[in-house]
Amino acid sequence: EAQVTQNPRYLITVTGKKLTVTCSQNMNHEYMSWYRQDPGLGLRQIYYSMNVEVTDKGDVPEGYKVSRKEKRNFPLILESPSPNQTSLYFCASSLRGRIDEQYFGPGTRLTVT
Amino acid sequence: AQKITQTQPGMFVQEKEAVTLDCTYDTSDPSYGLFWYKQPSSGEMIFLIYQGSYDQQNATEGRYSLNFQKARKSANLVISASQLGDSAMYFCAMREVTNAGKSTFGDGTTLTVKP
Repeated sequence: EAQVTQNPRYLITVTGKKLTVTCSQNMNHEYMSWYRQDPGLGLRQIYYSMNVEVTDKGDVPEGYKVSRKEKRNFPLILESPSPNQTSLYFCASSLRGRIDEQYFGPGTRLTVT
Repeated sequence: AQKITQTQPGMFVQEKEAVTLDCTYDTSDPSYGLFWYKQPSSGEMIFLIYQGSYDQQNATEGRYSLNFQKARKSANLVISASQLGDSAMYFCAMREVTNAGKSTFGDGTTLTVKP
């Protein structure tokens, strides 16, 4: 089954404790992105990748890191999480960019206390 | 810079009636794609419909159609014959050719279908 998987689905952590949210897709997609969703603010793009070893900042990259060492995986790293990073996070992938819809993972609800 | 505006935070529609969700966009790129996604209360994001900037005809997918008015920079979603299962949050989004990895979403419209 074609899908984007994210782990964990739920995470409660404390300020400053490094964490990684994994994202993997099995569709051989070139493009992958991370978004955060906050009430009333829609989805905001954190980082995106157009291929292996090619990443770029989205609209809200501060406090996040990403890497794309393999085509299928695009982990999101929070080196020192803070309470303002409490949010719902989505990973998404698409075959190409302009004309292809994005396939979304199920979301990761992160709470930083 | 690309921008998406959805001016209707919430909308109500009677079951079986049609509803239009508004979306306006701003871009300087002549080549771009516009997308609508649905997010039910369960949280997943579901792709509904796509419109390319050079497409001559408005996109349609079943009960969904996109009313694309390029000169006005609007890409409104029309849902015909609303069903209770259409109650959800709806997002308009855009991607430009010059930076195809970048994607911008609107703030969303919450649609409630009344029985």
